Amino acid sequence: GAVVSQHPSRVICKSGTSVKIECRSLDFQATTMFWYRQFPKQSLMLMATSNEGSKATYEQGVEKDKFLINHASLTLSTLTVTSAHPEDSSFYICSARTGPYEQYFGPGTRLTVT
Amino acid sequence: KQEVTQIPAALSVPEGENLVLNCSFTDSAIYNLQWFRQDPGKGLTSLLLIQSSQREQTSGRLNASLDKSSGRSTLYIAASQPGDSATYLCAAPGDSSYKLIFGSGTRLLVRP
Repeated sequence: GAVVSQHPSRVICKSGTSVKIECRSLDFQATTMFWYRQFPKQSLMLMATSNEGSKATYEQGVEKDKFLINHASLTLSTLTVTSAHPEDSSFYICSARTGPYEQYFGPGTRLTVT
Repeated sequence: KQEVTQIPAALSVPEGENLVLNCSFTDSAIYNLQWFRQDPGKGLTSLLLIQSSQREQTSGRLNASLDKSSGRSTLYIAASQPGDSATYLCAAPGDSSYKLIFGSGTRLLVRP
């Protein structure tokens, strides 16, 4: 089946620094990837849709200048959290669309901002 | 705007019980509905995908049904086991077929 990886799985950074998270589709090409955020004991909230070769589409309330998304190839999308603050600490999950109605999810990245 | 609700929020049952998890959605013009499992600190595992033309899907001890007219889906777990303990999420397409809107999940604990 389709496999999606994320790197790193865990990251701890200091407040004010930037952190990059990678999402890769390992055995298929994905023109569309999605980034979700999940706070403890809460559900996944869609942050943005990442489209290969074009700008990402952000959901309402998500700061595009803070969460930079780059989808430079058909197998890689990156999410950069700029000037991270403790309130950005969360579980970030990406998914890749394999067909019209199917998505495969990565294992997630736990971000802790101290 | 699609909204997805799951009840109960948490459920604790003894091993061996059959149980039903509920999911409701507001926009019934959906192509499909998916059920996922999430273990603590982990990503999502897709359990079942029900197309809009289907009424139900089965995988092993899991059976998911879909009633578009009422905006409801149920996940039935037969003969529950401690290994079934996890959070179960349902997701329906949002304003486009490609976006998924997730429910808040049901945290299931199956006691030995």
